[in-house]
Amino acid sequence: TQLLEQSPQFLSIQEGENLTVYCNSSSVFSSLQWYRQEPGEGPVLLVTVVTGGEVKKLKRLTFQFGDARKDSSLHITAAQPGDTGLYLCAGMTTDSWGKLQFGAGTQVVVTP
Amino acid sequence: DTGVSQNPRHKITKRGQNVTFRCDPISEHNRLYWYRQTLGQGPEFLTYFQNEAQLEKSRLLSDRFSAERPKGSFSTLEIQRTEQGDSAMYLCASSLGGAGGNQPQHFGDGTRLSIL
Repeated sequence: TQLLEQSPQFLSIQEGENLTVYCNSSSVFSSLQWYRQEPGEGPVLLVTVVTGGEVKKLKRLTFQFGDARKDSSLHITAAQPGDTGLYLCAGMTTDSWGKLQFGAGTQVVVTP
Repeated sequence: DTGVSQNPRHKITKRGQNVTFRCDPISEHNRLYWYRQTLGQGPEFLTYFQNEAQLEKSRLLSDRFSAERPKGSFSTLEIQRTEQGDSAMYLCASSLGGAGGNQPQHFGDGTRLSIL
């Protein structure tokens, strides 16, 4: 059983559409990180959020950390084929001291 | 590029053989982590080092697994008497060490292990 539940598991959309990926848990996290992973490669860090209610923007990507620091969302505006990949959320609990707990990931496919 | 480097990228071996993987972290990072990822899953934590000290090991890390970081720089992960279930992507990550451990982790491209 994963500590972090991601939804949906798979998302296929057309170029130009918007999408949102969710990451939920019953645990409180001291920080939460979002990664994107492509086949045969390691996860690439997109953002770290640490404060409840925090919103961070990275070009067309918007990341939000829940007020209670138990959940997070990633919103992509006007998706492009280059956004295709496996999006992973990973949290660090207050007693884990560096150990990341990952969700199973959301596979996003953006078709031209 | 001075990112995390892992070797080899791929390893195919017969069941029962021993294998060793190497990870070179980002040079100024004093924390180094090993994770394992199987198809359709996110990475699972195996162990981590602060400098040369191994501070935590997951219950996933059976007696057949051993990790070292002898001089606080590169690390090796050895699996003895490999089994079919060991087939996975083994990922290494590194970070700066800080209070609360909230420093972001940067990953290498992994070693994909296939057991025949």
